[in-house]
Parts: sequence; C-alpha cells; structure tokens
Amino acid sequence: DIVLTQSPATLSLSPGERATLSCRASQRVTHLAWYEQKPGQAPRLLIYDASTRATGVPGRFSGSGSGTDFTLTISSLEPGDVAVYYCQHRSIRPPAWTFGQGTKVEIK
Amino acid sequence: QLQLQESGPGLVKPSETLSLTCNVSGASITSSSYFWGWIRQSPGKGLEWIGSINYSGTTYYNPSLNSRATISVDSSKKQFSLRLTSVTAADTAVYYCARLFGEISRYFGFWGQGTQVTVSS
Repeated sequence: DIVLTQSPATLSLSPGERATLSCRASQRVTHLAWYEQKPGQAPRLLIYDASTRATGVPGRFSGSGSGTDFTLTISSLEPGDVAVYYCQHRSIRPPAWTFGQGTKVEIK
Repeated sequence: QLQLQESGPGLVKPSETLSLTCNVSGASITSSSYFWGWIRQSPGKGLEWIGSINYSGTTYYNPSLNSRATISVDSSKKQFSLRLTSVTAADTAVYYCARLFGEISRYFGFWGQGTQVTVSS
C-alpha cells in the first residue's frame, strides 16, 4: 500500500512569504492532488494531476513534482490561507484512495 | 450547481449500525462519468477514505474497516448511502460525501459540508 508522508507538520509564516509544503510517496506515483481545509469547513480540491489548478483556485497556488516527491507552493501567503493542506493519491491495484496526514499552515 | 448534503443521526450507540445518506442535487447520480464516495475525519485527525461507488453499483472499500462498511446508490431518490456496522467510539467523526472526478475518478472534486456522528451510549 502507498503511504503519503507530508512535511512539515506545521508551517508558521508571515503574510507575503512563500510557503512550501512537501508530500512524499512510499512508491512512485503518477497522479497526485492537493486539498485545502479551512477551520470548520469541508476540504476543497486545489490541485490535481500534480500541477493543474482546480476551477477558481488563485494563481498563487501551484503544484509540482513527480515520482515520489511532490510540492505545493503558495507564492505569497495571505491570512485567508490559514488551513490544513492534504495530499491524496488513488491506487489502482488494489483500488484505494489515500490521504497524507496534513500540513497545518499558520500566520505569524 | 452541484450540491451534496449529508444526513443521518448525530448519535449512535456502540455496537449499533451507523446509517448516513448523501442527497445529490444539480447533477445526475447515474452519470457514468463519476464515482461517489464517503470520507471521514476523526476529532483532530486527518482524512480517511471509507469507500466509493459508481452508478452501476461497483464499490471499493477501505480494508481497514474490516468489511463493516456498505455503500449503495438509490438513483430514484438521487442519493447514495453509507452503512457502518458494529460501531465503536473510534468511529466518532465528521463524515463527508463527495463526488469524484478525473481519469478513473482519481480525485474528490466536490464535497458535502459534512455531518458529525458521535458514538456513545
């Protein structure tokens, strides 16, 4: 089974700073998504296929990576970006959908 | 506009069966393009996939649930449902329904707002 490990667990930055979140897969994967979960809300799809922004997602969010190492970057952090960010992958054999444990982004 | 709304009892006794329904509006539940899924989030924890179903009834489940979960679709009512048997306190969580999308339904493209379920006597 594929395990997704996210780091760091918590990221505390000032507004305007660049946030870099990591997701590492235990085996090579070809497709990965990122979700944003703001306090008290349901998760929202941000990035899919590793680097494609979902509809309505601001351009300051970008995804990159391949193989086992993937990155979500927030180019200029805004107070409204306070959230937990999760990566996710679907395995084919056996069919399963797996989430990372999340990275909490805080504003200093 | 797609809307997903979870509903069901907020309190379930240990050893009983948890039953939730996701009502779908603004889209066809019988579309062959989509899978539909359930995800849960225990207090202060991350996201856990429970299972997924498509319009024809093909289902996939998280093996960690030890065959306790059953997902079904009722196209006439435009809803899909989750049954989780023999619940314990560890099943206390916010339960979300979602529509999957993308090639082979890789991703959870749209989520309901979630419903809190507490397992307690």
